[in-house]
Amino acid sequence: QVQLRQWGAGLLKPSETLSLTCTVSDGSFTGYYWSWIRQPPGRGLELLAEINHSGTSIYNPSLESRLTISVDTSKNHFSLKMTSLTAADTATYYCVRGAWFDLWGQGTLVTVSS
Amino acid sequence: EVVLTQSPGTLSLSPGERATLSCRASQSVSRYIAWYQQKPGQAPRLLIYDAYTRATGIPARFSGSGSGTEFTLTISSLEAEDFAVYYCQQRSDWPPTFGQGTKVEIK
Repeated sequence: QVQLRQWGAGLLKPSETLSLTCTVSDGSFTGYYWSWIRQPPGRGLELLAEINHSGTSIYNPSLESRLTISVDTSKNHFSLKMTSLTAADTATYYCVRGAWFDLWGQGTLVTVSS
Repeated sequence: EVVLTQSPGTLSLSPGERATLSCRASQSVSRYIAWYQQKPGQAPRLLIYDAYTRATGIPARFSGSGSGTEFTLTISSLEAEDFAVYYCQQRSDWPPTFGQGTKVEIK
């Protein structure tokens, strides 16, 4: 059964940079879109960025200036960086597969606090 | 950005009852709508995509309908494991957006 496994720091300070990485258990990057979605505590879902296996990326315009999404097919990884964190960025961050989000990582709770 | 408005906010029903959840888009999204189920502490799970196509492994009691701006998710007979929050999502326009969710709770 294919799984996404993600990791990254869970507690960060304001102004720091968030760095998350996600791996696909069967290495099947080709033919899929790969995305990062976040969910603040008790709230709804927001797509942050999307990339395909060849590295073509697109960002949510509301956060584009702070985001970088990348893929490393040799390591079966894709990653997200978000700069200039504030408390408003506190959320569970998910890595996700597909144009329709059919496979989700386990989620990483990122707390931004001084 | 396409705004998706879900109604009702909370649906209180008993097991065995039929659940009807609505999602309205601020502009036409054709059939580019998906539905997700989320339980506490878990990631969302894809139920329906392209408005009416069930995802792999999703029981037949879940069905989707609609096109343009009005969409419906129907659960024909609620089972205990169906009590959760449901989100609609569009992919017609960038960025993909989600509704605010409908909570289906046990009455």
